[in-house]
Amino acid sequence: DTGVSQDPRHKITKRGQNVTFRCDPISEHNRLYWYRQTLGQGPEFLTYFQNEAQLEKSRLLSDRFSAERPKGSFSTLEIQRTEQGDSAMYLCASSPRQGPYEQYFGPGTRLTVT
Amino acid sequence: DQQVKQNSPSLSVQEGRISILNCDYTNSMFDYFLWYKKYPAEGPTFLISISSIKDKNEDGRFTVFLNKSAKHLSLHIVPSQPGDSAVYFCAAGRWGGATNKLIFGTGTLLAVQP
Repeated sequence: DTGVSQDPRHKITKRGQNVTFRCDPISEHNRLYWYRQTLGQGPEFLTYFQNEAQLEKSRLLSDRFSAERPKGSFSTLEIQRTEQGDSAMYLCASSPRQGPYEQYFGPGTRLTVT
Repeated sequence: DQQVKQNSPSLSVQEGRISILNCDYTNSMFDYFLWYKKYPAEGPTFLISISSIKDKNEDGRFTVFLNKSAKHLSLHIVPSQPGDSAVYFCAAGRWGGATNKLIFGTGTLLAVQP
Protein backbone atom coordinates (compact mmCIF):
# COMPACT_ATOMS: atom_id res chain seq x y z
CA ASP A 1 0.00 0.00 0.00
CA THR A 2 1.62 3.25 -1.10
CA GLY A 3 -1.02 5.61 0.28
CA VAL A 4 -0.74 8.05 3.16
CA SER A 5 -0.40 6.28 6.50
CA GLN A 6 -1.02 7.60 9.99
CA ASP A 7 -0.16 6.22 13.39
CA PRO A 8 -1.82 5.59 15.76
CA ARG A 9 -5.33 5.19 14.38
CA HIS A 10 -6.87 5.79 17.77
CA LYS A 11 -5.58 7.53 20.89
CA ILE A 12 -7.32 7.96 24.21
CA THR A 13 -5.60 10.23 26.67
CA LYS A 14 -6.35 12.05 29.86
CA ARG A 15 -6.62 15.80 29.93
CA GLY A 16 -3.27 17.43 30.49
CA GLN A 17 -1.22 14.69 28.84
CA ASN A 18 0.89 15.17 25.73
CA VAL A 19 0.25 13.19 22.55
CA THR A 20 2.15 12.80 19.30
CA PHE A 21 0.85 11.59 15.96
CA ARG A 22 2.83 10.49 12.95
CA CYS A 23 2.08 10.81 9.25
CA ASP A 24 3.92 9.13 6.40
CA PRO A 25 2.96 10.74 3.09
CA ILE A 26 3.05 9.17 -0.35
CA SER A 27 6.76 8.84 -1.05
CA GLU A 28 7.07 11.12 -4.05
CA HIS A 29 4.91 13.87 -2.53
CA ASN A 30 6.80 16.87 -1.16
CA ARG A 31 3.75 18.71 0.15
CA LEU A 32 2.14 17.65 3.42
CA TYR A 33 -0.92 18.99 5.23
CA TRP A 34 -2.57 18.46 8.60
CA TYR A 35 -6.31 18.94 9.04
CA ARG A 36 -8.66 18.45 11.96
CA GLN A 37 -12.22 17.20 11.67
CA THR A 38 -14.85 17.36 14.38
CA LEU A 39 -18.30 15.81 14.36
CA GLY A 40 -20.59 17.31 11.75
CA GLN A 41 -17.87 19.43 10.20
CA GLY A 42 -15.59 19.14 7.24
CA PRO A 43 -11.82 18.94 7.64
CA GLU A 44 -10.27 22.22 8.83
CA PHE A 45 -6.75 23.18 7.79
CA LEU A 46 -4.10 23.22 10.51
CA THR A 47 -0.71 23.47 8.85
CA TYR A 48 1.22 22.93 5.61
CA PHE A 49 4.75 21.77 4.83
CA GLN A 50 6.65 22.00 1.60
CA ASN A 51 9.53 19.58 2.04
CA GLU A 52 10.80 20.32 5.57
CA ALA A 53 9.62 23.95 5.65
CA GLN A 54 6.42 24.77 7.51
CA LEU A 55 4.93 27.45 5.28
CA GLU A 56 1.55 28.07 6.83
CA LYS A 57 -0.12 27.61 10.19
CA SER A 58 -3.79 28.14 10.93
CA ARG A 59 -4.91 30.24 13.86
CA LEU A 60 -6.52 26.98 15.02
CA LEU A 61 -3.00 25.79 15.81
CA SER A 62 -2.53 27.18 19.30
CA ASP A 63 0.78 27.30 21.14
CA ARG A 64 0.06 23.83 22.52
CA PHE A 65 0.30 22.38 19.01
CA SER A 66 3.55 21.84 17.16
CA ALA A 67 4.26 20.08 13.90
CA GLU A 68 7.53 19.03 12.35
CA ARG A 69 8.76 17.42 9.17
CA PRO A 70 12.47 17.15 9.90
CA LYS A 71 13.74 15.48 6.76
CA GLY A 72 10.97 16.36 4.38
CA SER A 73 9.50 12.88 4.63
CA PHE A 74 7.30 11.87 7.58
CA SER A 75 5.69 14.46 9.84
CA THR A 76 4.69 14.57 13.48
CA LEU A 77 1.97 16.58 15.18
CA GLU A 78 2.29 17.03 18.93
CA ILE A 79 -0.36 18.37 21.26
CA GLN A 80 0.82 19.41 24.70
CA ARG A 81 -1.43 19.62 27.77
CA THR A 82 -4.40 18.18 25.92
CA GLU A 83 -7.86 19.58 26.54
CA GLN A 84 -11.24 17.98 25.95
CA GLY A 85 -11.78 20.37 23.06
CA ASP A 86 -8.85 18.73 21.27
CA SER A 87 -10.92 15.58 20.77
CA ALA A 88 -11.22 15.20 17.00
CA MET A 89 -10.03 13.26 13.98
CA TYR A 90 -6.59 14.46 12.89
CA LEU A 91 -6.06 13.96 9.18
CA CYS A 92 -2.85 14.10 7.20
CA ALA A 93 -2.77 14.63 3.45
CA SER A 94 -0.07 14.89 0.83
CA SER A 95 0.15 16.36 -2.62
CA PRO A 96 2.76 16.09 -5.36
CA ARG A 97 2.78 19.57 -6.77
CA GLN A 98 2.07 23.26 -6.43
CA GLY A 99 -1.42 24.65 -6.03
CA PRO A 100 -4.64 23.25 -4.65
CA TYR A 101 -4.41 20.12 -6.71
CA GLU A 102 -5.95 17.06 -5.22
CA GLN A 103 -4.64 16.15 -1.80
CA TYR A 104 -4.56 12.50 -0.79
CA PHE A 105 -5.65 11.80 2.75
CA GLY A 106 -4.60 9.19 5.25
CA PRO A 107 -7.08 7.29 7.44
CA GLY A 108 -6.72 9.75 10.31
CA THR A 109 -5.96 9.52 14.01
CA ARG A 110 -8.99 9.64 16.27
CA LEU A 111 -8.09 11.47 19.51
CA THR A 112 -10.31 11.23 22.55
CA VAL A 113 -9.39 13.36 25.57
CA THR A 114 -11.09 12.25 28.78
CA ASP B 1 -17.30 32.46 8.31
CA GLN B 2 -18.29 29.42 6.28
CA GLN B 3 -16.77 30.05 2.88
CA VAL B 4 -17.93 26.71 1.46
CA LYS B 5 -21.45 25.60 2.22
CA GLN B 6 -23.30 22.38 1.71
CA ASN B 7 -26.82 23.16 2.79
CA SER B 8 -28.23 19.64 2.53
CA PRO B 9 -27.01 17.49 5.41
CA SER B 10 -28.44 14.36 3.82
CA LEU B 11 -29.85 12.97 0.59
CA SER B 12 -31.61 9.70 -0.13
CA VAL B 13 -31.78 8.29 -3.66
CA GLN B 14 -32.95 5.04 -5.23
CA GLU B 15 -30.37 2.79 -6.83
CA GLY B 16 -30.04 3.53 -10.54
CA ARG B 17 -31.32 7.09 -10.25
CA ILE B 18 -29.30 10.30 -10.35
CA SER B 19 -27.79 11.79 -7.19
CA ILE B 20 -27.21 15.54 -7.22
CA LEU B 21 -25.14 17.06 -4.45
CA ASN B 22 -24.84 20.82 -4.20
CA CYS B 23 -22.24 23.22 -2.89
CA ASP B 24 -22.07 27.02 -2.67
CA TYR B 25 -19.06 29.21 -2.00
CA THR B 26 -18.66 32.83 -1.09
CA ASN B 27 -15.01 33.61 -1.84
CA SER B 28 -14.61 34.67 -5.47
CA MET B 29 -10.86 34.06 -5.18
CA PHE B 30 -11.42 30.30 -5.20
CA ASP B 31 -10.48 28.91 -8.58
CA TYR B 32 -10.21 25.19 -8.01
CA PHE B 33 -12.89 22.91 -6.62
CA LEU B 34 -12.86 19.28 -5.54
CA TRP B 35 -15.25 16.62 -4.32
CA TYR B 36 -14.24 14.03 -1.76
CA LYS B 37 -16.07 10.96 -0.54
CA LYS B 38 -15.70 9.68 3.01
CA TYR B 39 -16.68 6.37 4.53
CA PRO B 40 -16.85 6.01 8.33
CA ALA B 41 -13.45 5.50 10.01
CA GLU B 42 -11.58 6.35 6.80
CA GLY B 43 -9.97 9.49 5.45
CA PRO B 44 -11.59 11.44 2.60
CA THR B 45 -11.01 9.97 -0.85
CA PHE B 46 -10.57 12.29 -3.82
CA LEU B 47 -13.31 11.90 -6.44
CA ILE B 48 -13.20 14.64 -9.04
CA SER B 49 -12.09 18.24 -9.46
CA ILE B 50 -12.72 21.24 -11.67
CA SER B 51 -10.87 24.47 -12.29
CA SER B 52 -12.64 27.78 -12.73
CA ILE B 53 -11.78 27.92 -16.42
CA LYS B 54 -14.20 25.05 -17.02
CA ASP B 55 -17.88 24.62 -16.33
CA LYS B 56 -18.01 20.84 -16.48
CA ASN B 57 -15.75 17.90 -15.79
CA GLU B 58 -16.75 14.28 -16.20
CA ASP B 59 -15.19 11.06 -14.95
CA GLY B 60 -17.21 7.93 -15.46
CA ARG B 61 -20.40 8.11 -13.43
CA PHE B 62 -19.32 11.37 -11.80
CA THR B 63 -19.77 14.84 -13.31
CA VAL B 64 -19.06 18.13 -11.62
CA PHE B 65 -20.70 21.34 -12.86
CA LEU B 66 -19.46 24.81 -11.96
CA ASN B 67 -21.54 28.00 -12.20
CA LYS B 68 -19.13 30.80 -11.40
CA SER B 69 -21.65 33.60 -11.60
CA ALA B 70 -23.80 31.86 -9.00
CA LYS B 71 -20.78 30.62 -7.02
CA HIS B 72 -22.31 27.18 -7.13
CA LEU B 73 -21.12 23.72 -8.01
CA SER B 74 -22.80 20.38 -8.09
CA LEU B 75 -21.81 16.74 -8.28
CA HIS B 76 -23.94 14.40 -10.34
CA ILE B 77 -23.69 10.66 -9.87
CA VAL B 78 -25.48 8.56 -12.44
CA PRO B 79 -26.47 5.84 -12.08
CA SER B 80 -26.28 5.80 -8.29
CA GLN B 81 -25.13 2.58 -6.65
CA PRO B 82 -25.44 1.38 -3.03
CA GLY B 83 -21.64 1.57 -2.72
CA ASP B 84 -21.89 5.32 -3.31
CA SER B 85 -23.48 5.69 0.13
CA ALA B 86 -21.06 7.92 2.05
CA VAL B 87 -20.49 11.50 3.15
CA TYR B 88 -19.52 13.79 0.27
CA PHE B 89 -17.45 16.90 0.91
CA CYS B 90 -17.03 19.83 -1.40
CA ALA B 91 -13.69 21.68 -1.12
CA ALA B 92 -12.22 24.81 -2.66
CA GLY B 93 -8.77 26.29 -3.06
CA ARG B 94 -6.78 29.01 -4.76
CA TRP B 95 -4.57 28.15 -7.71
CA GLY B 96 -1.06 29.50 -7.27
CA GLY B 97 -1.90 31.51 -4.20
CA ALA B 98 0.29 31.78 -1.17
CA THR B 99 -1.74 29.14 0.58
CA ASN B 100 -2.23 25.57 -0.46
CA LYS B 101 -4.99 24.78 1.96
CA LEU B 102 -8.39 23.46 1.01
CA ILE B 103 -11.58 24.86 2.54
CA PHE B 104 -14.19 22.17 3.05
CA GLY B 105 -17.95 22.25 3.37
CA THR B 106 -19.73 20.41 6.14
CA GLY B 107 -20.64 17.43 3.99
CA THR B 108 -23.75 15.72 2.65
CA LEU B 109 -24.62 12.18 3.68
CA LEU B 110 -25.79 10.27 0.61
CA ALA B 111 -27.83 7.12 1.11
CA VAL B 112 -28.50 5.04 -1.99
CA GLN B 113 -31.37 2.68 -1.39
CA PRO B 114 -31.30 -0.72 -3.18
